[in-house]
Amino acid sequence: LAKTTQPISMDSYEGQEVNITCSHNNIATNDYITWYQQFPSQGPRFIIQGYKTKVTNEVASLFIPADRKSSTLSLPWVSLSDTAVYYCLVARGGGFKTIFGAGTRLFVKA
Amino acid sequence: NAGVTQTPKFQVLKTGQSMTLQCAQDMNHNSMYWYRQDPGMGLRLIYYSASEGTTDKGEVPNGYNVSRLNKREFSLRLESAAPSQTSVYFCASGGTQVPEAFFGQGTRLTVV
Repeated sequence: LAKTTQPISMDSYEGQEVNITCSHNNIATNDYITWYQQFPSQGPRFIIQGYKTKVTNEVASLFIPADRKSSTLSLPWVSLSDTAVYYCLVARGGGFKTIFGAGTRLFVKA
Repeated sequence: NAGVTQTPKFQVLKTGQSMTLQCAQDMNHNSMYWYRQDPGMGLRLIYYSASEGTTDKGEVPNGYNVSRLNKREFSLRLESAAPSQTSVYFCASGGTQVPEAFFGQGTRLTVV
C-alpha cells in the first residue's frame, strides 16, 4: 500500500482558495486517489476521487500530475464550515485495505 | 435512506466485559470496514470484509473479532474489553469498483 504524506495543519480565511497537497511516491498503477472530509464527532465523508489529470465536482477539484506521485485537493471560496480534517488516501478498488493517514486539519478563520 | 447504521451510539464497559458492535448497510455494497479513531488521531483499520463470507485483518486487529453475517451486516466483537480500546468506532461500506466508502455515525466506547 502506498503511504501518503500531507501537511498536519493549514490555516485559511473565508473566501480564499485552499490547496492541500498530498504526496504518494509509491502509488501503484491500479491505485485511485481519494479524499475525505471529517467534522468533529462525525464519520469521514467522501469528497472526490481521481486516477489521473483533473477531476472537478460541486465541492472540490483534484489535480493529479502525470507521474501521479502527488495530488492536490483544491477547495474554492472556503467558509467557516469547511473547517475540518481532510484525508488523502491511495487505494485500489473496494474490498481492499483502505488505510487513512493522519490527515490535514484545516482551520478557516473569519 | 439510512446508509450505514451503527448500534449502539454510546457504550460504557468495565474492563474484561465483552460486547458486540453492530453495523448494517442498505446500499448493497460488497465491502465493509471497521475503524477506530482515538482522540485527535486519524482512523485505523481494524478489520475489513471484501465480500460476504470473507474477512481480513487491518492495521490493528488484536483484541477484536468480526463476523460478516450477510451482505448487509458486519459486526465487531470485543471479547475482553481493555481501557486501551476506549475509542470511537466507525463502520463503513463501499462498492467493489472504486474505493469510495460511506461511513456510519460512530460508536463511542469507553472502557473503565
